[in-house]
Amino acid sequence: KQEVTQIPAALSVPEGENLVLNCSFTDSAIYNLQWFRQDPGKGLTSLLLIQSSQREQTSGRLNASLDKSSGRSTLYIAASQPGDSATYLCAVSYYGQNFVFGPGTRLSVLP
Amino acid sequence: KAGVTQTPRYLIKTRGQQVTLSCSPISGHRSVSWYQQTPGQGLQFLFEYFSETQRNKGNFPGRFSGRQFSNSRSEMNVSTLELGDSALYLCASSSRTDFSGNTIYFGEGSWLTVV
Repeated sequence: KQEVTQIPAALSVPEGENLVLNCSFTDSAIYNLQWFRQDPGKGLTSLLLIQSSQREQTSGRLNASLDKSSGRSTLYIAASQPGDSATYLCAVSYYGQNFVFGPGTRLSVLP
Repeated sequence: KAGVTQTPRYLIKTRGQQVTLSCSPISGHRSVSWYQQTPGQGLQFLFEYFSETQRNKGNFPGRFSGRQFSNSRSEMNVSTLELGDSALYLCASSSRTDFSGNTIYFGEGSWLTVV
């Protein structure tokens, strides 16, 4: 069964800290991996998409890495801000199938 | 460029009733997928449509159905509503044509409460 897990489930940090969110998937034959952000009561916003052939992607203060062989991805957020507070979800897709989502990490950045 | 639009945003239904939710994808996107999000189960895939054809289906009972129109707009229907159907229903669109794994874009969702 293809499963995605995320650690930690929740994280609270002071403003300015660098932080890492973790995502693990059981089946390493992924097509791609995508990180999303979800604000309370809202839809999901795509942050970064990593194709299976790539090792990392960067957008502003965000950097996502992918290690297919170990079934892991990390999302690195530099210099965190209160506006980064949200739930971050990792999702993997397999050929011919749709995304399988992790449960998310709820991030709170304290001013 | 307009994003993914879902209507209605909020609705309350009674057990046993049926409900139809609508999704308008980003212009030019032909793939529309639906997800159910609940606190207990997280985000679960319902189905995906591409060019008016259901291309994938998740593990949901037959009470959940959908369709896509020639303009790529999609609707999903839930019949004989149960309390456990209360959830946020999210629609996502993508430009992908061959499972190439393009970015997917989500709408704001439709909050369904079944009482």
